[in-house]
Amino acid sequence: DAMVIQNPRYQVTQFGKPVTLSCSQTLNHNVMYWYQQKSSQAPKLLFHYYDKDFNNEADTPDNFQSRRPNTSFCFLDIRSPGLGDAAMYLCASREDRGPYEQYFGPGTRLTVT
Amino acid sequence: GESVGLHLPTLSVQEGDNSIINCAYSNSASDYFIWYKQESGKGPQFIIDIRSNMDKRQGQRVTVLLNKTVKHLSLQIAATQPGDSAVYFCAENAEAAGNKLTFGGGTRVLVKP
Repeated sequence: DAMVIQNPRYQVTQFGKPVTLSCSQTLNHNVMYWYQQKSSQAPKLLFHYYDKDFNNEADTPDNFQSRRPNTSFCFLDIRSPGLGDAAMYLCASREDRGPYEQYFGPGTRLTVT
Repeated sequence: GESVGLHLPTLSVQEGDNSIINCAYSNSASDYFIWYKQESGKGPQFIIDIRSNMDKRQGQRVTVLLNKTVKHLSLQIAATQPGDSAVYFCAENAEAAGNKLTFGGGTRVLVKP
C-alpha cells in the first residue's frame, strides 16, 4: 500500500550528538512536511518542501535542517540536539493540488540523554 | 495571530453513546478543514474533511459540521466504540497562507465500557 514511512521509530541520541531522521513516501507527492510534536500538544510545523523548494518556518531553530534528495525521501537533521528537542517527529506528504489532505507517517520518537 | 482552538481538552463518553468534539477557528480565509485522529504512539490519521463551501459532510459513523458564521467546526462520532479512544485534532488550511495546516490543541476522547 502507498504510504509514508519513517525510520527509525525510536531514536536515542546523546546531548549534542547529531542525529538524522528519515522519511519516505510511495505516494509520489510533491509536498513533504516535518513536524515536531511534544507530549499532549498539537504537531508544530518545522519546514516543508514543495518539490525541491525548501520552506522554513520563521520560528524553527537553526539547529534543525532538512534535505530532500529526491521526490520520495526527506531527512531531518538535528545538528546539536538539546534536551528540549526530545519529541515525536512526524513526516507528512500531500499532493500539490487539492484536496490538501496531509498523509502522516507513524513518527519517530526521539529521546535525548 | 490566526489560530485554531478546541473548547474541551478531555471528553469521556460511554460506549455506544454519540460524541461531539468542538473546534473554534479564527482565520476567516480558511478554505478547508480536516479532522485527524491520533492514537498513542502513532501519527495522525485522517478521519474526514470539509471545504468551506459546505456546512455538513458525513462519513462512516462520523459527521463534520462547519458553521462559518461563528467560525466553528465540530466532529460527531455516532455509537462511540472503544477503538475511538484517541486524541482528535482539527486543522485548518488557507490557500492564501500557502496551504499549510494549522492544528488545534487536541481533544482526548476516552470511551468507557
